[in-house]
Amino acid sequence: GAVVSQHPSRVICKSGTSVKIECRSLDFQATTMFWYRQFPKQSLMLMATSNEGSKATYEQGVEKDKFLINHASLTLSTLTVTSAHPEDSSFYICSAGLADSYEQYFGPGTRLTVT
Amino acid sequence: GENVEQHPSTLSVQEGDSAVIKCTYSDSASNYFPWYKQELGKGPQLIIDIRSNVGEKKDQRIAVTLNKTAKHFSLHITETQPEDSAVYFCAASIRPGTASKLTFGTGTRLQVTL
Repeated sequence: GAVVSQHPSRVICKSGTSVKIECRSLDFQATTMFWYRQFPKQSLMLMATSNEGSKATYEQGVEKDKFLINHASLTLSTLTVTSAHPEDSSFYICSAGLADSYEQYFGPGTRLTVT
Repeated sequence: GENVEQHPSTLSVQEGDSAVIKCTYSDSASNYFPWYKQELGKGPQLIIDIRSNVGEKKDQRIAVTLNKTAKHFSLHITETQPEDSAVYFCAASIRPGTASKLTFGTGTRLQVTL
């Protein structure tokens, strides 16, 4: 149980375009989803916390207009990188959790390359 | 906010030896400490966790210890195997009671050699 999927697993896009990444909890309803970014050989950095039906809470330094997060249902959250630039190239990972629960379940990640 | 430091950054051990990775945290309010294993190109996998009301937890070859007074916790892997080679991250949760926000350590690259 507690499986989280991400789609796509890797994506290449041109500079200036937007790309959407989906995060789904497959066998449970996630009240909260988290989006992380991980640069090569670095740790996971939390970008935002997303609660179903409400606006996402962004970490300091993360531009909410550039990284649009939608959490329309208890099983789906999406991250849209708008007007992507090469410096946005990174590994994006989502995780899902339940209210009053400590555990987070991580997705397999999405490798974004902006050319 | 919470700050988690992790050492060492790289660790090489021979197969069958033990490996120990240490983390310290700054916020005494943190009360959940998971450890994750991340293989290349994949998302992190939870391997063991500990809550602040427990000092030690063991699961087969993996154990975690927690010293709340000193604000540090450690991962112990015994009888290491080549498949244990990966990057390991510790984390601390600063907000119990809601879906927890994790702060990660900087990671330890473990290599188990034959």
